[in-house]
Amino acid sequence: DVKVTQSSRYLVKRTGEKVFLECVQDMDHENMFWYRQDPGLGLRLIYFSYDVKMKEKGDIPEGYSVSREKKERFSLILESASTNQTSMYLCASGTANSPLHFGNGTRLTVT
Amino acid sequence: QQQVKQSPQSLIVQKGGISIINCAYENTAFDYFPWYQQFPGKGPALLIAIRPDVSEKKEGRFTISFNKSAKQFSLHIMDSQPGDSATYFCASNSGAGSYQLTFGKGTKLSVIP
Repeated sequence: DVKVTQSSRYLVKRTGEKVFLECVQDMDHENMFWYRQDPGLGLRLIYFSYDVKMKEKGDIPEGYSVSREKKERFSLILESASTNQTSMYLCASGTANSPLHFGNGTRLTVT
Repeated sequence: QQQVKQSPQSLIVQKGGISIINCAYENTAFDYFPWYQQFPGKGPALLIAIRPDVSEKKEGRFTISFNKSAKQFSLHIMDSQPGDSATYFCASNSGAGSYQLTFGKGTKLSVIP
């Protein structure tokens, strides 16, 4: 089974802190994605990557950046956390011919 | 920004009944339409998916109906069970070969005994 592991289930950070969310997949997938999930808004794509060191903006990239130094690892970075970034963050991986596989999410609270 | 519009936001169905969730998409170039199921505390998981070359796909109690001319697709859950209580998301890609998915806003399904 494909496993997508997000390093933290819950995080509490202060406004202005730099926050790192880590995601690792074990299926050698080329493509990795970061979504945020908010009640009533569904899943919205923040950034994605289709190869090491490559990144593409999704629908809501403002306030975020990403890093993909190794194929299996995709990090989401909040340069200066704000309260409106309190959300559930979901990492996913896949290939052109396979469905997306999601991790179980990181619930981030910014106070 | 491409959109996928999903309805209803929430749905309550009695055990044994049929649950129906609808989605509409914008662009005829979209060619992959999955449904994801999410239980509390878990990430979404692929439930069933369809491509526009067929009008229906069935897997067990779950069926996708696809209407290309109306740009709509729906999920039907037959003989709904309490264990089906979850949030369901429809999604679409943005065209042939695209692996980037846009999701609907979700439907929270509650199946009551």
